[in-house]
Amino acid sequence: GENVEQHPSTLSVQEGDSAVIKCTYSDSASNYFPWYKQELGKGPQLIIDIRSNVGEKKDQRIAVTLNKTAKHFSLHITETQPEDSAVYFCAASKGLGNYQLIWGAGTKLIIKP
Amino acid sequence: DGGITQSPKYLFRKEGQNVTLSCEQNLNHDAMYWYRQDPGQGLRLIYYSQIVNDFQKGDIAEGYSVSREKKESFPLTVTSAQKNPTAFYLCASSIQFDTEAFFGQGTRLTVV
Repeated sequence: GENVEQHPSTLSVQEGDSAVIKCTYSDSASNYFPWYKQELGKGPQLIIDIRSNVGEKKDQRIAVTLNKTAKHFSLHITETQPEDSAVYFCAASKGLGNYQLIWGAGTKLIIKP
Repeated sequence: DGGITQSPKYLFRKEGQNVTLSCEQNLNHDAMYWYRQDPGQGLRLIYYSQIVNDFQKGDIAEGYSVSREKKESFPLTVTSAQKNPTAFYLCASSIQFDTEAFFGQGTRLTVV
């Protein structure tokens, strides 16, 4: 069945450095790829998303890249800050006509002061 | 304030009992969802609803039931048939499927 693999499961970076989280999806018909941030005890919150007709999208310190040929997409956070510490989830929509999301297992991002 | 509200935040249930988790939204969203979250795993879809009086099973619907009698409300019942119900449950809503989903704060259910 469809699945999304997310790596790494834990990422520790120095404050001010960049962080990169990668996801691979299996369904070539997937066309919507959101990234969510979840803080402890809260529900996930959308931070950025990308659709299959776009290769890259940027919003201030956050960017997402999509490689449809290789079926992978990545989240890039630059100039990391303590408030970036959280669990990040990637997701990919199921095939054409089905917009249910398949979620990655999450990456715990730790920003070291 | 517009948003999505889940209650209660913590819930304890004895084995063999059914329990209902509440989810209310005032965002005027048509689509609503229930997810289950277990440690070290991504979110798994239990049920979703695209419109009032209609809902569909997700990937792990066995042992759960839902209703969608009002646009604002999408309660989830965890029945005694659910073999491993202890988990964190998240409700969400969106305008349509491929747009931002807004999540509630979650309900942590523990079976004792």
